[in-house]
Amino acid sequence: DAKTTQPTSMDCAEGRAANLPCNHSTISGNEYVYWYRQIHSQGPQYIIHGLKNNETNEMASLIITEDRKSSTLILPHATLRDTAVYYCIVRVTGTASKLTFGTGTRLQVTL
Amino acid sequence: EPEVTQTPSHQVTQMGQEVVLRCVPISNHLYFYWYRQILGQKVEFLVSFYNNEISEKSEIFDDQFSVERPDGSNFTLKIRSTKLEDSAMCFCASSFDRGPFNEQFFGPGTRLTVL
Repeated sequence: DAKTTQPTSMDCAEGRAANLPCNHSTISGNEYVYWYRQIHSQGPQYIIHGLKNNETNEMASLIITEDRKSSTLILPHATLRDTAVYYCIVRVTGTASKLTFGTGTRLQVTL
Repeated sequence: EPEVTQTPSHQVTQMGQEVVLRCVPISNHLYFYWYRQILGQKVEFLVSFYNNEISEKSEIFDDQFSVERPDGSNFTLKIRSTKLEDSAMCFCASSFDRGPFNEQFFGPGTRLTVL
């Protein structure tokens, strides 16, 4: 799986959009971008994934650049409950393959 | 909403003892996983399991570890002789299939403390 690079930490004011970047410059054509988050010491939680088109669900939006070398997870209206570590993971789907977690971005949402 | 459950929430054991951690995956899921997270470190993959056999395992998953699906609902992780360095949050996960939408759903974890 391709390596990802994320900022160590970010702050966001409650109610504002949180934009979390991820670089995956070595991504290959059959690799998807997945985002998970981990609130405190709870189990990681799936957020969203995409291949090359932008994706949106009830939790977030995922913007993938045209060259697929980077992506941005957008939480449109961050709340205090969104404070968590966010992981960007690149993996080939179509297999029961493992998730390889990096250190992620620690997002702190403040009042 | 269906969820992965794990028991116990906290397991304390003495070094050298055997422990069994239990998980109930989401009922229609076919792929099962164990991960662990040592305090302050990354979440690490241990093993994946499908069709009653191990699909993939990491270097961590040595002969001291085993997994089993003893019935139609439970998925267990056994550590035969625990070491101090096995102290970690252990997470079970499950997924429905291997296709593009095979997101893994994680349980709340079992905190394993080896004394």
